[in-house]
Amino acid sequence: AQSVAQPEDQVNVAEGNPLTVKCTYSVSGNPYLFWYVQYPNRGLQFLLKYITGDNLVKGSYGFEAEFNKSQTSFHLKKPSALVSDSALYFCAVRLGGKLIFGQGTELSVKP
Amino acid sequence: DAGVIQSPRHEVTEMGQEVTLRCKPISGHDYLFWYRQTMMRGLELLIYFNNNVPIDDSGMPEDRFSAKMPNASFSTLKIQPSEPRDSAVYFCASSLRLAGRETQYFGPGTRLLVL
Repeated sequence: AQSVAQPEDQVNVAEGNPLTVKCTYSVSGNPYLFWYVQYPNRGLQFLLKYITGDNLVKGSYGFEAEFNKSQTSFHLKKPSALVSDSALYFCAVRLGGKLIFGQGTELSVKP
Repeated sequence: DAGVIQSPRHEVTEMGQEVTLRCKPISGHDYLFWYRQTMMRGLELLIYFNNNVPIDDSGMPEDRFSAKMPNASFSTLKIQPSEPRDSAVYFCASSLRLAGRETQYFGPGTRLLVL
């Protein structure tokens, strides 16, 4: 079955340190991959997507993600974390006309 | 653009009552999605429409749930009768399909509590 997995329920990072939120996928064919962020009591917001081309995708708020076909991964990264980055992050893969979301990773950035 | 609009933002009702959630997608978008989010089950797709036509309703939990899209600017998700296990945040999202490269834009959600 086509799916995405986020192996970490929670990631804790100190402000100023680099952060990584992991995502692996299982799809047939070329994947369309997405990252969304959800702040408390808000809907999901689009961060970035990979469709084709350069494996390093840059998105909103200084985030980037690296598509790795051999490892079937699409990890979200940021060189220097901010306290305001604390939120719930979802990886997703497109399947037909819909998105299949991972279970989410809670990112906590401490001052 | 105002983005995806959902109403009400909060709903508290008693078990057995009918609940209707409303969504106005972004103007010009041709896809509309209804999701449910709970701690236990995460984010689940319930149903989605393309050009007002339901395409995939396999995520609708049971016959108590129904969704309609009478026109391009309005959709409803109805629960009748409601049960406490329906308590969740319900999100509506819309997108514009361009050769499969669509990005979904989410509304703020309706927080439903069934007592």
